[in-house]
Amino acid sequence: QKEVEQNSGPLSVPEGAIASLNCTYSDRGSQSFFWYRQYSGKSPELIMSIYSNGDKEDGRFTAQLNKASQYVSLLIRDSQPSDSATYLCALHTGGGNKLTFGTGTQLKVEL
Amino acid sequence: GAGVSQTPSNKVTEKGKYVELRCDPISGHTALYWYRQSLGQGPEFLIYFQGTGAADDSGLPNDRFFAVRPEGSVSTLKIQRTERGDSAMYLCASSPGGGPKAVWPFGSGTQLSVL
Repeated sequence: QKEVEQNSGPLSVPEGAIASLNCTYSDRGSQSFFWYRQYSGKSPELIMSIYSNGDKEDGRFTAQLNKASQYVSLLIRDSQPSDSATYLCALHTGGGNKLTFGTGTQLKVEL
Repeated sequence: GAGVSQTPSNKVTEKGKYVELRCDPISGHTALYWYRQSLGQGPEFLIYFQGTGAADDSGLPNDRFFAVRPEGSVSTLKIQRTERGDSAMYLCASSPGGGPKAVWPFGSGTQLSVL
């Protein structure tokens, strides 16, 4: 089992819809969870971090964490074509100083 | 500059050659990280420096890869006898310190192509 699993997609949603991106992880000791957005040919950009169970909202983005079920998700409301990118889930394991990434989910927001 | 600077932005080399990739961290940041991202994959951890020393080099794939940070600032990732499989985006990040909540922006990366 991979440490961090994401559906590679592509996930296609119409403009204005809610995009839901999911990530599961295997290490129950993981403490910190992150979502990155990556445009083609560019480096990943951090968009959300979450450390506690529940929801965390930032503008159109909501991160959801459920440690008991070992999943973290990202919701993007009112999706825009500019949201079309690959979204990477990442996490810190306990005591570590490195991030472990999933392979990313490609999101396409269609006009 | 305000962010992490990586040079060159692109590097094309031939199989078997030696390459050096440079990372200039944010001024004053003691921690520095190198990651590698192959096409279609997420970034993979290579090495983490705290000051001048490599605190964790468990991600370096083999002895062809080596990284230094002699003065606790600029870091150089060195790859000997490059192979086509080394082709990837090499990413660097820095932070004021380590720890599980220390996540800082990546530089713009160096795209390495080994022909």
